[in-house]
Amino acid sequence: GAGVSQSPSNKVTEKGKDVELRCDPISGHTALYWYRQSLGQGLEFLIYFQGNSAPDKSGLPSDRFSAERTGGSVSTLTIQRTQQEDSAVYLCASSLDLNTEAFFGQGTRLTVV
Amino acid sequence: TQLLEQSPQFLSIQEGENLTVYCNSSSVFSSLQWYRQEPGEGPVLLVTVVTGGEVKKLKRLTFQFGDARKDSSLHITAAQPGDTGLYLCAGPPAFRGAQKLVFGQGTRLTINP
Repeated sequence: GAGVSQSPSNKVTEKGKDVELRCDPISGHTALYWYRQSLGQGLEFLIYFQGNSAPDKSGLPSDRFSAERTGGSVSTLTIQRTQQEDSAVYLCASSLDLNTEAFFGQGTRLTVV
Repeated sequence: TQLLEQSPQFLSIQEGENLTVYCNSSSVFSSLQWYRQEPGEGPVLLVTVVTGGEVKKLKRLTFQFGDARKDSSLHITAAQPGDTGLYLCAGPPAFRGAQKLVFGQGTRLTINP
């Protein structure tokens, strides 16, 4: 597709379960970001991948959160032992490089019940 | 601590009024981008300003980059309900070693008919 694709668009899970969120960036984009957005709030940076460099994980809120990017393309954000406070919209963005426009997916709305 | 501080955080005005929102930093940025996010969507780029003192216009929206490239403003003339949304500024810091796009926390704008 032409844009950033995220799946699933909505996910309801029970507290304590693990979830995986997927992001398909725009082909050729070397930079990939994950953000979390709580209702009515701004973007909370989670993790950043740039090419083959080590990812910047400085925004991950706890060790329950992890992400990987395979082959420099698709990325998966994994949340283990989900908690109710993890409920939010998780946004993925990609860009050609540091200085160019970030294109966002429509997000995954995660609800932990 | 936010590298980019946006103000105000919330703004609710009547249709037809003018408004300005601000994006400030103590650091120099290589460029600044402005995004708008509508409900249920990811942020979408409005404009990028690159040169200190640069002014760009997008219909009723005027964007300015500060001379020292540490701040930016967005002015909307004769606001309309369609301008409602979350406005985010973002940019790559110019200091050595800066590796990722940094976002402000956003200004949530509501235009009342």
